[in-house]
Amino acid sequence: GAVVSQHPSWVICKSGTSVKIECRSLDFQATTMFWYRQFPKQSLMLMATSNEGSKATYEQGVEKDKFLINHASLTLSTLTVTSAHPEDSSFYICSASRGGATNEKLFFGSGTQLSVL
Amino acid sequence: SQQGEEDPQALSIQEGENATMNCSYKTSINNLQWYRQNSGRGLVHLILIRSNEREKHSGRLRVTLDTSKKSSSLLITASRAADTASYFCATALTYNQGGKLIFGQGTELSVKP
Repeated sequence: GAVVSQHPSWVICKSGTSVKIECRSLDFQATTMFWYRQFPKQSLMLMATSNEGSKATYEQGVEKDKFLINHASLTLSTLTVTSAHPEDSSFYICSASRGGATNEKLFFGSGTQLSVL
Repeated sequence: SQQGEEDPQALSIQEGENATMNCSYKTSINNLQWYRQNSGRGLVHLILIRSNEREKHSGRLRVTLDTSKKSSSLLITASRAADTASYFCATALTYNQGGKLIFGQGTELSVKP
């Protein structure tokens, strides 16, 4: 099956620092990856759609300068939380579709728990 | 924005019983998917049902889809303690969204041994 690796699993940082989260598709090429945010006992909120070789598409209300997304290759997308603050503390999850433009199932990373002190 | 609503929000049953979770959505869909999430982990795809399908089975899972009512249900038969997790429905919209899925609020299932 398709494997998506997300790193790190958890990170604790001081307020004002930036944190980078990596999402890799290990055995397939992913032209499109998705970044979600999840608060405890709540659903996944789509933050942005990451497209290889082009700018990410952000959902309404998501600050693009705050959450920088780079999709430099067909197997790697990164999310950088810039100048993190305690309210950015959350569980961040990436996912990828093998089908690219088709509406098929997604393969998820294991998530990153971010805690900003 | 979220378009899926699920009920119940939480469900507690005994091992061996069946668990039924429901999902409603608002807009036209290409397909509807169910995912499982163990606490603090990523999501695992369970089953996908297309808009022209009414029922689908996979092992102990049974999914129904009623596009006229914009609703779906997930039935887990003969539940096990290992089925304890959160279950989410997710919809893929009819127009090409590059694989984008919108998730429901989820049902937290607890199966007691």
